[in-house]
Amino acid sequence: DGGITQSPKYLFRKEGQNVTLSCEQNLNHDAMYWYRQDPGQGLRLIYYSQIVNDFQKGDIAEGYSVSREKKESFPLTVTSAQKNPTAFYLCASSVHMNTEAFFGQGTRLTVV
Amino acid sequence: GIQVEQSPPDLILQEGANSTLRCNFSDSVNNLQWFHQNPWGQLINLFYIPSGTKQNGRLSATTVATERYSLLYISSSQTTDSGVYFCAVEPRIQGAQKLVFGQGTRLTINP
Repeated sequence: DGGITQSPKYLFRKEGQNVTLSCEQNLNHDAMYWYRQDPGQGLRLIYYSQIVNDFQKGDIAEGYSVSREKKESFPLTVTSAQKNPTAFYLCASSVHMNTEAFFGQGTRLTVV
Repeated sequence: GIQVEQSPPDLILQEGANSTLRCNFSDSVNNLQWFHQNPWGQLINLFYIPSGTKQNGRLSATTVATERYSLLYISSSQTTDSGVYFCAVEPRIQGAQKLVFGQGTRLTINP
């Protein structure tokens, strides 16, 4: 099945710990994105990558880091520097920039 | 940056009713998409519609790029249509290559 897979679906983290969210796609898409959604809000862009080994900061990159070593994978690390990490995180991909984007099922991160 | 405003913020209807959701954007765009967020949080693609009109079953969408708005029509609503509908645009400004989301319209269809 082609698609975008995010794991885990739910994640609990102790304050002060780093955590990595996985995003894998088998659609052969060049571009990948990470968004954050807070309750009752729209999505805000954290990071995006147009091609392997390249990525750019989005609107709210502080406290996050990413890598793009493989075309199909775009993991997001939520670091201890992120002040309010509890949120719903969504990964997306598209053939390339300026084309239709498709989303994974999301990871709900809770800091305890 | 570009502003994306969706209206109404909340809409409550009876099953069988028709609805129109609106998305206004403040600048030229390359791309506009409509999504439905289901109760589990997943974003379902409805339309990729930078301009013109498209239809898919009971849903249709129209984007008038020159006037900077898009409309999503839902006819004969069903309870499964409930959820949050998002409009997202990709600004035409060079280097802006990202989808900017509106705040969404929460649609509730009562049986």
